[in-house]
Amino acid sequence: KQEVTQIPAALSVPEGENLVLNCSFTDSAIYNLQWFRQDPGKGLTSLLLIQSSQREQTSGRLNASLDKSSGRSTLYIAASQPGDSATYLCAVDSNYQLIWGAGTKLIIKP
Amino acid sequence: EPEVTQTPSHQVTQMGQEVILRCVPISNHLYFYWYRQILGQKVEFLVSFYNNEISEKSEIFDDQFSVERPDGSNFTLKIRSTKLEDSAMYFCASSEDAGMNTEAFFGQGTRLTVV
Repeated sequence: KQEVTQIPAALSVPEGENLVLNCSFTDSAIYNLQWFRQDPGKGLTSLLLIQSSQREQTSGRLNASLDKSSGRSTLYIAASQPGDSATYLCAVDSNYQLIWGAGTKLIIKP
Repeated sequence: EPEVTQTPSHQVTQMGQEVILRCVPISNHLYFYWYRQILGQKVEFLVSFYNNEISEKSEIFDDQFSVERPDGSNFTLKIRSTKLEDSAMYFCASSEDAGMNTEAFFGQGTRLTVV
């Protein structure tokens, strides 16, 4: 059974720092992995999709990597801003359904 | 930009009542999904729907749940007899396809409170 774990559960950093969020999964047989952002009480905003055959994807200040064989993905956020404060979730597409991590709550201090 | 829309944003219902949560997926998408997130817990898959039938469902999706695409635009989740533990945020999602290239787009959610 696929399990997704995100470390750390919470992270607080000063504005301007670069940071890395981690996601691991137990079964490497995935179609893809998505990173989402969730603001408090709000919906799920897709940030990046990495197909299982890809190693990384970039969107603006965000870069996500995928090492399928080791069951790991990272989300790199460059030059963090207070507006990046949110919970970041990773989800793996296993058998046409997304299996989710518990998220990393990120606080960027001005 | 096309988006998934969900109504209502918040619904309060009494235990034992039936509720219908509504979703309008992105118009050219073929796959539809419901997920839920109990407060403080992980997002959980409920059901996927394609070609007017359920393609996958989780063990959460028992006989009290049903889904329907009553017309060409709406996708609904019905909970037949709500329980306190059904209180959660329910998210609808849609995708063009399924598999490697699939990006799922989510609505803003319906917060269901069962009292």
